Amino acid sequence: QQPVQSPQAVILREGEDAVINCSSSKALYSVHWYRQKHGEAPVFLMILLKGGEQKGHEKISASFNEKKQQSSLYLTASQLSYSGTYFCGTEGSYDKVIFGPGTSLSVIP
Amino acid sequence: EAQVTQNPRYLITVTGKKLTVTCSQNMNHEYMSWYRQDPGLGLRQIYYSMNVEVTDKGDVPEGYKVSRKEKRNFPLILESPSPNQTSLYFCATRDAGANVLTFGAGSRLTVL
Repeated sequence: QQPVQSPQAVILREGEDAVINCSSSKALYSVHWYRQKHGEAPVFLMILLKGGEQKGHEKISASFNEKKQQSSLYLTASQLSYSGTYFCGTEGSYDKVIFGPGTSLSVIP
Repeated sequence: EAQVTQNPRYLITVTGKKLTVTCSQNMNHEYMSWYRQDPGLGLRQIYYSMNVEVTDKGDVPEGYKVSRKEKRNFPLILESPSPNQTSLYFCATRDAGANVLTFGAGSRLTVL
């Protein structure tokens, strides 16, 4: 089942912070976060594993609440380069990463 | 350079004309997968392959076939394309250690 992402879209000014949420109705093994710029392929940002291990991007952080099957991506001091669509991918078993519908983020000067 | 290469990048075809979208990787990854991307729906998995000769259906396999005869290649076959298969297609590989998906550049397919 596809995870739910919120908000659907957000507009920020440079330097502002944003939080993107992802929730699933199923128990999760891991949560992935990817960013896609217009006309390009999705690019890996972060993976959060059950048990608390986290691997990813230097300037972006995330949390994973295993009990609630929820994850949040935190973008602080946003830059113009942060613009794009953010996808969370949830994984209940190793072989299937199911992506959410995406959150469009626009950073303006 | 680590790459996932898809061809063609753009294709316009007509209903019923068989086509193949190729995907090749140079990272020696066991796992490969195909996704389609449609507005408002995100990325939906079509098929995946855990290793050579082992493939399985994703969430939207209807109308598609795949084969995995060698580790580096994972072609997506549309035997009889229909307009509802007009979409942006991504091939992806997965590093077993880091669990990260690496996507190809995408193939935009239009079926008239």
